[in-house]
Amino acid sequence: AQSVTQLDSQVPVFEEAPVELRCNYSSSVSVYLFWYVQYPNQGLQLLLKYLSGSTLVKGINGFEAEFNKSQTSFHLRKPSVHISDTAEYFCAVSGGTSYGKLTFGQGTILTVHP
Amino acid sequence: ETGVTQSPTHLIKTRGQQVTLRCSSQSGHNTVSWYQQALGQGPQFIFQYYREEENGRGNFPPRFSGLQFPNYSSELNVNALELDDSALYLCASSLEQWSSYEQYFGPGTRLTVT
Repeated sequence: AQSVTQLDSQVPVFEEAPVELRCNYSSSVSVYLFWYVQYPNQGLQLLLKYLSGSTLVKGINGFEAEFNKSQTSFHLRKPSVHISDTAEYFCAVSGGTSYGKLTFGQGTILTVHP
Repeated sequence: ETGVTQSPTHLIKTRGQQVTLRCSSQSGHNTVSWYQQALGQGPQFIFQYYREEENGRGNFPPRFSGLQFPNYSSELNVNALELDDSALYLCASSLEQWSSYEQYFGPGTRLTVT
């Protein structure tokens, strides 16, 4: 079985500061890893994904994430956040016999203050 | 290219009633997955349909059922509604079942059970 742990339920940060949202996963097989963003009253939008290859993945809106197999982590980073980045962020995993199923973490609410 | 659409946007039902939620896939996509997102939680996989057949199911009781139509649109049916069924229901479509890591989400249907 796969599981995802997002280590921070809420992350407050000031505008233009860097941010890191932490994600650890558990899986006995090779995985695909994702970060999604959810704005209030909306569905999920894919920020970035790791399927294979380079462990540093770049996504939309200036976000990037690094896959670390030995630490089973996939932390999301942005060097300088904007007010518009305020949203909930979800880390998700799929793989093994569950390629069609995304297993999500509990989410991290990022609040960017002016 | 039309994205994933869901209807209705909001719905209020009484405990014990039945509900049908609808989803139109993104153009060209033949795989649909349904997720339940309770308040303050990450989405949980309900099931997936590929070319009109159920192709994987999460830990949900049989009163949660689905259909996929020849045009790849889909329905989620929930019988004997319980208070805990109150949640945001998300539909996601993808091009093929084995590329279903590329899932595109709709805006969701907010179901309230009273």
